[in-house]
Amino acid sequence: SYVMTQPPSVSVAPGKTAIITCGGDNIGSKSVHWYQQKAGQAPVQVIYYDSVRPSGIPERFSGSNSGNTATLTISRVEAGDEADYFCQVWDSTIDHPRVFGGGTKLTVL
Amino acid sequence: EVQLVESGGGLVQPGGSLRVSCVASGFTFSNYYMSWVRQSPGRGLEWVANIKQDGSEKYYVDSVKGRFTISRDNATTSLSLEMNSLRADDTAVYYCARDGLGYSYGSFDYWGRGILVTVSS
Repeated sequence: SYVMTQPPSVSVAPGKTAIITCGGDNIGSKSVHWYQQKAGQAPVQVIYYDSVRPSGIPERFSGSNSGNTATLTISRVEAGDEADYFCQVWDSTIDHPRVFGGGTKLTVL
Repeated sequence: EVQLVESGGGLVQPGGSLRVSCVASGFTFSNYYMSWVRQSPGRGLEWVANIKQDGSEKYYVDSVKGRFTISRDNATTSLSLEMNSLRADDTAVYYCARDGLGYSYGSFDYWGRGILVTVSS
C-alpha cells in the first residue's frame, strides 16, 4: 500500500513560518489534502487538492505538491496553530484509495 | 451548519459486536458519499469504509472486510457501522466524516467529534 512519511515533530516560534512535509513516491501525481487536529478535537480540513483552502481557513495556511514531496506551510504562526497535522491522498490507482500520513506535531515555542 | 454526531461506542469483548451510528444535519445528506475513519495511538488515522449516496456501493479497508458493514438511511440522515468479530486492534476513536465533492473529492471536508470503541476482555 502507498506510504507517506511525515516528520514526527516541528517546532517554530510565534510569528515565524512552519513547514510540514509529506513524502511519498511520486506524490506530485496525486491529490493531497491536509488536516489540523487540536488536542481532544476532531480533525479539520485546512487544505484540499494540494493547495486550496476551505472557507474559513486563514490565508496563512498554504499547500504545494511536486515530485516526491507535498508541503503545508503556515505563515506567521500563532499559539493557536499548535496541533497535529496530517496529510492524506486519494488515488484510484492504488488498492486503498484513502491513505493518511503518520502526522506531525507542531509545537509553537 | 454541518453537524455529524456519533453514538453507540463503548466497551466490547474480543469477538463481540457493536454498532456505531452518526446523525447528520446542516446539509443535503443524500448528495454525499459518507465515510467512517478511525484513529488509534498505534495506527494513526485510518479510513475504514465509505458508502455511495444511494447506498449502492460500499468500500472497505482490507482489515475490516467481511467483519464490518456500513449502511445509511437517507430518510433519517443517518450513517451506521456494524462491527462484528471485533479484535483488540479495532480499538479506536471512530469518526463519521463527509466525503468531499468536486476538487475536494477523495478528502473529508467535515468530521464528527468521534466515538470511542474499546475492545478488551
